[in-house]
Amino acid sequence: DAKTTQPPSMDCAEGRAANLPCNHSTISGNEYVYWYRQIHSQGPQYIIHGLKNNETNEMASLIITEDRKSSTLILPHATLRDTAVYYCIVRVRRNNDMRFGAGTRLTVKP
Amino acid sequence: GAGVSQTPSNKVTEKGKYVELRCDPISGHTALYWYRQSLGQGPEFLIYFQGTGAADDSGLPNDRFFAVRPEGSVSTLKIQRTERGDSAVYLCASSLTGTSGSSYEQYFGPGTRLTVT
Repeated sequence: DAKTTQPPSMDCAEGRAANLPCNHSTISGNEYVYWYRQIHSQGPQYIIHGLKNNETNEMASLIITEDRKSSTLILPHATLRDTAVYYCIVRVRRNNDMRFGAGTRLTVKP
Repeated sequence: GAGVSQTPSNKVTEKGKYVELRCDPISGHTALYWYRQSLGQGPEFLIYFQGTGAADDSGLPNDRFFAVRPEGSVSTLKIQRTERGDSAVYLCASSLTGTSGSSYEQYFGPGTRLTVT
Protein backbone atom coordinates (compact mmCIF):
# COMPACT_ATOMS: atom_id res chain seq x y z
CA ASP A 1 0.00 0.00 0.00
CA ALA A 2 1.11 3.54 -0.79
CA LYS A 3 2.74 5.59 1.93
CA THR A 4 1.12 8.79 3.15
CA THR A 5 2.58 11.99 4.54
CA GLN A 6 0.67 14.21 6.96
CA PRO A 7 1.68 17.22 9.05
CA PRO A 8 2.23 16.15 12.66
CA SER A 9 -0.05 18.77 14.15
CA MET A 10 -2.54 21.52 13.29
CA ASP A 11 -4.70 23.97 15.19
CA CYS A 12 -8.15 25.20 14.23
CA ALA A 13 -10.51 27.73 15.78
CA GLU A 14 -13.84 26.42 16.96
CA GLY A 15 -16.56 26.98 14.35
CA ARG A 16 -14.10 27.34 11.49
CA ALA A 17 -13.35 24.78 8.82
CA ALA A 18 -10.50 22.40 9.51
CA ASN A 19 -8.58 21.37 6.39
CA LEU A 20 -6.29 18.41 6.91
CA PRO A 21 -3.89 17.62 4.06
CA CYS A 22 -2.47 14.26 3.07
CA ASN A 23 0.15 13.51 0.46
CA HIS A 24 0.07 10.12 -1.26
CA SER A 25 2.17 10.66 -4.34
CA THR A 26 2.79 6.94 -4.97
CA ILE A 27 -0.87 5.93 -4.88
CA SER A 28 -1.92 3.25 -7.36
CA GLY A 29 -5.01 3.33 -9.53
CA ASN A 30 -6.87 0.77 -7.43
CA GLU A 31 -6.04 2.27 -4.03
CA TYR A 32 -8.65 4.12 -2.04
CA VAL A 33 -8.02 7.02 0.33
CA TYR A 34 -9.43 6.43 3.81
CA TRP A 35 -9.63 8.76 6.77
CA TYR A 36 -9.97 7.69 10.37
CA ARG A 37 -9.65 9.66 13.57
CA GLN A 38 -8.77 8.70 17.10
CA ILE A 39 -10.02 10.67 20.04
CA HIS A 40 -7.94 10.29 23.18
CA SER A 41 -8.27 6.86 24.83
CA GLN A 42 -10.69 5.55 22.18
CA GLY A 43 -10.29 3.26 19.20
CA PRO A 44 -10.01 4.78 15.71
CA GLN A 45 -13.27 5.92 14.13
CA TYR A 46 -14.02 5.70 10.42
CA ILE A 47 -14.73 9.08 8.81
CA ILE A 48 -14.84 8.79 5.03
CA HIS A 49 -13.19 7.22 2.01
CA GLY A 50 -12.93 7.84 -1.73
CA LEU A 51 -11.28 6.67 -4.92
CA LYS A 52 -11.33 9.51 -7.47
CA ASN A 53 -14.34 11.69 -6.88
CA ASN A 54 -14.86 14.08 -4.00
CA GLU A 55 -17.01 12.63 -1.27
CA THR A 56 -19.18 14.11 1.46
CA ASN A 57 -21.01 12.60 4.39
CA GLU A 58 -22.45 13.85 7.64
CA MET A 59 -19.04 14.06 9.25
CA ALA A 60 -16.75 15.52 6.61
CA SER A 61 -15.83 16.12 2.99
CA LEU A 62 -12.95 14.50 1.14
CA ILE A 63 -11.32 16.37 -1.72
CA ILE A 64 -8.98 14.31 -3.92
CA THR A 65 -6.81 16.08 -6.49
CA GLU A 66 -7.22 15.14 -10.12
CA ASP A 67 -3.87 13.33 -10.20
CA ARG A 68 -4.83 11.61 -6.91
CA LYS A 69 -1.46 12.38 -5.38
CA SER A 70 -2.94 14.30 -2.48
CA SER A 71 -6.21 14.81 -0.66
CA THR A 72 -7.77 17.06 1.94
CA LEU A 73 -10.19 16.16 4.67
CA ILE A 74 -12.50 19.03 5.52
CA LEU A 75 -14.43 19.35 8.76
CA PRO A 76 -16.74 22.24 7.83
CA HIS A 77 -17.45 23.59 11.32
CA ALA A 78 -14.95 22.23 13.78
CA THR A 79 -16.01 21.76 17.39
CA LEU A 80 -13.96 21.05 20.49
CA ARG A 81 -15.02 17.41 20.20
CA ASP A 82 -13.20 17.16 16.87
CA THR A 83 -9.86 17.39 18.70
CA ALA A 84 -8.21 14.08 17.77
CA VAL A 85 -5.46 12.43 15.76
CA TYR A 86 -6.52 12.11 12.12
CA TYR A 87 -5.09 9.31 10.01
CA CYS A 88 -4.97 9.24 6.22
CA ILE A 89 -4.56 5.73 4.82
CA VAL A 90 -4.39 4.51 1.26
CA ARG A 91 -5.13 0.90 0.52
CA VAL A 92 -6.45 -1.51 -2.01
CA ARG A 93 -9.97 -2.18 -0.85
CA ARG A 94 -9.54 -5.93 -0.90
CA ASN A 95 -6.62 -5.69 1.49
CA ASN A 96 -7.64 -6.44 4.97
CA ASP A 97 -5.06 -4.70 7.07
CA MET A 98 -4.63 -0.97 7.32
CA ARG A 99 -1.27 0.74 7.57
CA PHE A 100 -1.57 3.67 9.94
CA GLY A 101 1.10 6.35 10.02
CA ALA A 102 1.56 8.84 12.83
CA GLY A 103 -1.38 10.99 11.67
CA THR A 104 -2.11 14.67 12.28
CA ARG A 105 -2.98 15.82 15.77
CA LEU A 106 -5.75 18.39 15.31
CA THR A 107 -6.45 20.70 18.23
CA VAL A 108 -9.64 22.74 18.04
CA LYS A 109 -9.37 25.83 20.20
CA PRO A 110 -12.20 27.94 21.63
CA GLY B 1 -26.50 -1.22 17.83
CA ALA B 2 -23.70 -2.57 19.97
CA GLY B 3 -20.20 -1.84 18.81
CA VAL B 4 -17.00 -3.82 19.18
CA SER B 5 -16.27 -4.59 22.81
CA GLN B 6 -12.98 -5.60 24.39
CA THR B 7 -12.19 -7.01 27.79
CA PRO B 8 -10.50 -6.27 30.03
CA SER B 9 -10.11 -2.54 29.50
CA ASN B 10 -6.88 -2.60 31.47
CA LYS B 11 -4.52 -5.46 32.28
CA VAL B 12 -1.41 -5.29 34.43
CA THR B 13 0.78 -8.37 34.47
CA GLU B 14 4.25 -9.33 35.51
CA LYS B 15 7.01 -10.08 33.05
CA GLY B 16 6.92 -13.72 32.01
CA LYS B 17 3.22 -14.25 32.66
CA TYR B 18 0.57 -15.37 30.17
CA VAL B 19 -2.33 -13.06 29.21
CA GLU B 20 -5.50 -13.35 27.17
CA LEU B 21 -7.31 -10.41 25.64
CA ARG B 22 -10.87 -10.80 24.39
CA CYS B 23 -12.72 -9.16 21.52
CA ASP B 24 -16.46 -9.28 20.79
CA PRO B 25 -17.06 -8.04 17.23
CA ILE B 26 -20.18 -6.41 15.85
CA SER B 27 -22.82 -9.07 15.24
CA GLY B 28 -22.74 -10.27 11.66
CA HIS B 29 -19.24 -9.01 10.91
CA THR B 30 -17.26 -11.86 9.39
CA ALA B 31 -13.88 -10.12 9.42
CA LEU B 32 -11.97 -9.42 12.62
CA TYR B 33 -8.63 -7.66 13.08
CA TRP B 34 -6.16 -7.16 15.88
CA TYR B 35 -3.86 -4.15 16.07
CA ARG B 36 -1.32 -2.96 18.62
CA GLN B 37 -0.72 0.71 19.40
CA SER B 38 2.29 2.01 21.26
CA LEU B 39 2.31 5.44 22.83
CA GLY B 40 2.44 8.24 20.27
CA GLN B 41 2.18 5.93 17.28
CA GLY B 42 -0.57 4.78 14.97
CA PRO B 43 -2.06 1.30 15.28
CA GLU B 44 0.07 -1.54 13.92
CA PHE B 45 -1.62 -4.50 12.22
CA LEU B 46 -1.20 -7.90 13.89
CA ILE B 47 -3.64 -10.45 12.46
CA TYR B 48 -6.81 -10.73 10.41
CA PHE B 49 -9.54 -13.39 10.61
CA GLN B 50 -12.08 -14.20 7.96
CA GLY B 51 -14.60 -16.38 9.76
CA THR B 52 -12.79 -18.88 11.95
CA GLY B 53 -9.50 -18.90 10.12
CA ALA B 54 -6.55 -16.56 10.35
CA ALA B 55 -6.28 -15.23 6.80
CA ASP B 56 -3.25 -13.08 7.48
CA ASP B 57 -1.04 -13.29 10.57
CA SER B 58 1.94 -11.52 9.06
CA GLY B 59 1.86 -8.77 11.68
CA LEU B 60 2.35 -11.00 14.70
CA PRO B 61 5.78 -10.01 16.06
CA ASN B 62 6.90 -13.48 17.17
CA ASP B 63 5.64 -16.89 18.24
CA ARG B 64 4.73 -15.68 21.72
CA PHE B 65 1.66 -14.10 20.14
CA PHE B 66 -1.29 -16.21 19.05
CA ALA B 67 -4.95 -15.52 18.32
CA VAL B 68 -8.01 -17.69 17.87
CA ARG B 69 -11.58 -17.26 16.74
CA PRO B 70 -13.05 -20.75 17.14
CA GLU B 71 -16.69 -20.02 16.30
CA GLY B 72 -16.20 -17.14 13.94
CA SER B 73 -17.33 -14.52 16.40
CA VAL B 74 -15.41 -13.80 19.62
CA SER B 75 -11.65 -13.74 19.32
CA THR B 76 -8.91 -14.09 21.91
CA LEU B 77 -5.39 -12.74 21.56
CA LYS B 78 -2.96 -14.73 23.63
CA ILE B 79 0.49 -13.60 24.67
CA GLN B 80 2.91 -16.02 26.31
CA ARG B 81 5.94 -15.11 28.43
CA THR B 82 5.07 -11.43 28.34
CA GLU B 83 7.87 -8.89 28.06
CA ARG B 84 7.92 -5.22 29.05
CA GLY B 85 8.05 -4.34 25.35
CA ASP B 86 4.62 -5.91 24.91
CA SER B 87 3.10 -3.02 26.87
CA ALA B 88 0.69 -1.24 24.53
CA VAL B 89 -2.98 -0.76 23.74
CA TYR B 90 -4.34 -3.76 21.85
CA LEU B 91 -7.16 -2.81 19.50
CA CYS B 92 -9.70 -5.07 17.87
CA ALA B 93 -11.77 -4.15 14.82
CA SER B 94 -14.44 -5.88 12.77
CA SER B 95 -15.98 -5.38 9.36
CA LEU B 96 -18.27 -6.88 6.80
CA THR B 97 -16.70 -8.56 3.81
CA GLY B 98 -18.25 -8.30 0.39
CA THR B 99 -18.85 -11.29 -1.83
CA SER B 100 -16.19 -10.01 -4.21
CA GLY B 101 -13.66 -10.10 -1.41
CA SER B 102 -13.69 -6.35 -0.89
CA SER B 103 -13.35 -5.25 2.68
CA TYR B 104 -15.65 -2.73 4.16
CA GLU B 105 -14.90 -0.10 6.75
CA GLN B 106 -13.39 -1.33 9.99
CA TYR B 107 -15.06 -0.52 13.29
CA PHE B 108 -12.76 -0.44 16.28
CA GLY B 109 -13.24 -1.31 19.91
CA PRO B 110 -11.92 0.85 22.75
CA GLY B 111 -8.86 -1.33 23.23
CA THR B 112 -7.19 -3.15 26.09
CA ARG B 113 -4.31 -1.35 27.74
CA LEU B 114 -1.70 -3.97 28.63
CA THR B 115 1.05 -3.06 31.06
CA VAL B 116 3.85 -5.54 31.69
CA THR B 117 5.83 -4.76 34.84
